[in-house]
Amino acid sequence: DIQMTQSPSSLSASVGDRVSITCRASQSINTYLNWYQQEPGKAPKLLIYAASNLLSGVPSRFSGSGSGADFTLTISSLQPEDFATYYCQQTYSSPPTFGGGTRLE
Amino acid sequence: QVQLVQSGGEVKKPGASVKVSCKASRYTFTSYGISWVRQAPGQGLEWLGSISGYNGKTKYAQQIQGRVTMTADTSTTTASLELRSLRSDDTAVYYCARDQDASGTYSNVNYFDYWGQGTLVTVSS
Repeated sequence: DIQMTQSPSSLSASVGDRVSITCRASQSINTYLNWYQQEPGKAPKLLIYAASNLLSGVPSRFSGSGSGADFTLTISSLQPEDFATYYCQQTYSSPPTFGGGTRLE
Repeated sequence: QVQLVQSGGEVKKPGASVKVSCKASRYTFTSYGISWVRQAPGQGLEWLGSISGYNGKTKYAQQIQGRVTMTADTSTTTASLELRSLRSDDTAVYYCARDQDASGTYSNVNYFDYWGQGTLVTVSS
């Protein structure tokens, strides 16, 4: 199975900050990388698919980049509703695997 | 708006079975798959498997293969997950999610764009 490693595991930030979260795969996964946001007690929500494609309706302050094994999720200006946990997911090969999560606080 | 509505929480004893359902609406059920993902308390996300809404083909995660059955009923647009021989480490919130793969064979062009609200399954003696 492909291992996904996120860093940092937690991140302290303030409203208005620019933040970046990194996801590294144990092998090259091309751009088969998705990002999800999960608020406490709620189901995950898809933000970005195929590394850099913003899902319709997701604010443009979210962006994704990367290819191969290294990927980044960037939030350009943190809003109060963005304080949540973020997960990356690879779908390059089965089983699709998730990173361990980054808690933004 | 696409909806996935899951059945309610369950409390089961070790060794028992549980069945969680996921009623899909407001999209063409047979054009997508349904994946199941679980999240143990305070932990991350774990993919359990998927089923094609088109042909019912399934793929299961190796760690639960042999204990799990996923089904999809196109007449009621409902997917179900049955997990048998429950253990305490099966305690988790179970989510269904719509995935883009209707073929039943694995496609790497995939993502989970809509999720159910989650079903808490508690396994305790």
